Amino acid sequence: GNSVTQMEGPVTLSEEAFLTINCTYTATGYPSLFWYVQYPGEGLQLLLKATKADDKGSNKGFEATYRKETTSFHLEKGSVQVSDSAVYFCALSNSGYALNFGKGTSLLVTP
Amino acid sequence: DTGVSQDPRHKITKRGQNVTFRCDPISEHNRLYWYRQTLGQGPEFLTYFQNEAQLEKSRLLSDRFSAERPKGSFSTLEIQRTEQGDSAMYLCASSNRGRVEKLFFGSGTQLSVL
Repeated sequence: GNSVTQMEGPVTLSEEAFLTINCTYTATGYPSLFWYVQYPGEGLQLLLKATKADDKGSNKGFEATYRKETTSFHLEKGSVQVSDSAVYFCALSNSGYALNFGKGTSLLVTP
Repeated sequence: DTGVSQDPRHKITKRGQNVTFRCDPISEHNRLYWYRQTLGQGPEFLTYFQNEAQLEKSRLLSDRFSAERPKGSFSTLEIQRTEQGDSAMYLCASSNRGRVEKLFFGSGTQLSVL
C-alpha cells in the first residue's frame, strides 16, 4: 500500500540555520508528493508539491525534489526564521483522491 | 473566501452518546474530505464527496460513522455510540480540482470521549 515515513521531531534550530526534513515513501506507480505545514492554531496548508520524478517544488524559500530512484521528497530551506516554527507533514496521492500523510515533524526555530 | 469552517471547535461527550460535526467548505469548491488526526500522527483519510455524492470511504469509517453532504455544500459527520477510541481531531478539507492538487483544511473539531 501507500505510505510515507518522515523523520521524527522535534527539530530545534537556531535562526538562519539550514533545515532538512527527510521524507521517504512507498507506493506503486507514480504518486504526487506534497509538503503541508500547520502553524500553531491554524489549519493545515499546502506548502509545495511535485507531481512527477525530478520535479522540484518550491515555496517561501522551501524546496523539495521528487527523487524516484531513492523514493524520497526531502524538505529543505537554506535559512530558517522563527516564523517557520510549525509542524510539517509529507504526503502522497496515488491515483485516488485520498492523501496519505506522514506523522509530521515539529520544527522549533529559536532567535 | 472565508476558508473552510468547522463547528464546533471542541466537543466533550460521554461514551455511548452520539455526536455530529459540521463542515462548511469554501463556497466554490465541489470536493469535500473528512480526515481524522490523533496525537503524534498525521491525518488519516475517512471519506470524500464530490458535490453530494460520497465517492470514497476508508475502511477506518466503521458502521458507527456516517457522513452526508445533502446539497453539495456543507457536510456533517455523525458518530453514533461513541467510544473512547474515537477521541481525535476531525478535519475537513475542500478543493475544486480533479485530483488532490491543493486541499484547504479547516481548523478541525477536537472530540474527547470520556
